[in-house]
Amino acid sequence: KAGVTQTPRYLIKTRGQQVTLSCSPISGHRSVSWYQQTPGQGLQFLFEYFSETQRNKGNFPGRFSGRQFSNSRSEMNVSTLELGDSALYLCASSSRQATTGELFFGEGSRLTVL
Amino acid sequence: GEDVEQSLFLSVREGDSSVINCTYTDSSSTYLYWYKQEPGAGLQLLTYIFSNMDMKQDQRLTVLLNKKDKHLSLRIADTQTGDSAIYFCAEMFSGGYNKLIFGAGTRLAVHP
Repeated sequence: KAGVTQTPRYLIKTRGQQVTLSCSPISGHRSVSWYQQTPGQGLQFLFEYFSETQRNKGNFPGRFSGRQFSNSRSEMNVSTLELGDSALYLCASSSRQATTGELFFGEGSRLTVL
Repeated sequence: GEDVEQSLFLSVREGDSSVINCTYTDSSSTYLYWYKQEPGAGLQLLTYIFSNMDMKQDQRLTVLLNKKDKHLSLRIADTQTGDSAIYFCAEMFSGGYNKLIFGAGTRLAVHP
C-alpha cells in the first residue's frame, strides 16, 4: 500500500511569489491534514479536509489556503510568500471520520523562500 | 490552552533504556501520540494511547500515561543506534478533526 505522497519535495521561491503544494493520501483515506514545521515554531497545524470540506483551520494568515478534490488529493497554496514561510510542509492522511485515527505523514515539501 | 512540553535532548548508551517525557495541558484530550522523525524524513507514528488507559506496550516501546498529572512518557527498551532521531509527543486537540498539538521534540542520541 503506497504511503502519503507529497510533491514537490524541494522548492525555492522568492518573496512575493506564490506556491502550490500537492498531497496524495493513502488510498481509501479521506481526511487530509497539513502541518508546517519550522525550527522556531515547531510543528503547527494548518488545516484539515474531509470529503472536500475544510473542517478545521489553524492560526495562520489568509495567505495560506487549501482545497481537497473528489479523489481526496489535496493542495495547499501560499500566496505573497514571506521569508518566514520557509519551512517543511507536512501532509497527513487518516482513514477515520472521527478524531480517533492515527495520522500517517508524508515526507514533506521543503520550501525555501529567498 | 493548548501546550505540549518536552525536554529537548536525551543521550543514552546503546543497550540501555531511554525514557522520553512529555507534559500536556488539555485534560480533555482523547488520544496522545508518539511520533519519530529521522533526518530529512516525515513523521513516523510509533504508538498512541487512549486517555482512559494507563499503559500500553508494543514490543520495545512502553507508553505510560498519568492523566492526573497530564504526564506522558515513552520508554524504549534496549535502545539501538537506529533509534537516534527526534521524538515528538502530540495530543489530539479536544476540538477534534485530526488537529494534533505537538511538543518541540526530544532529540535522542544513542552512543556506543
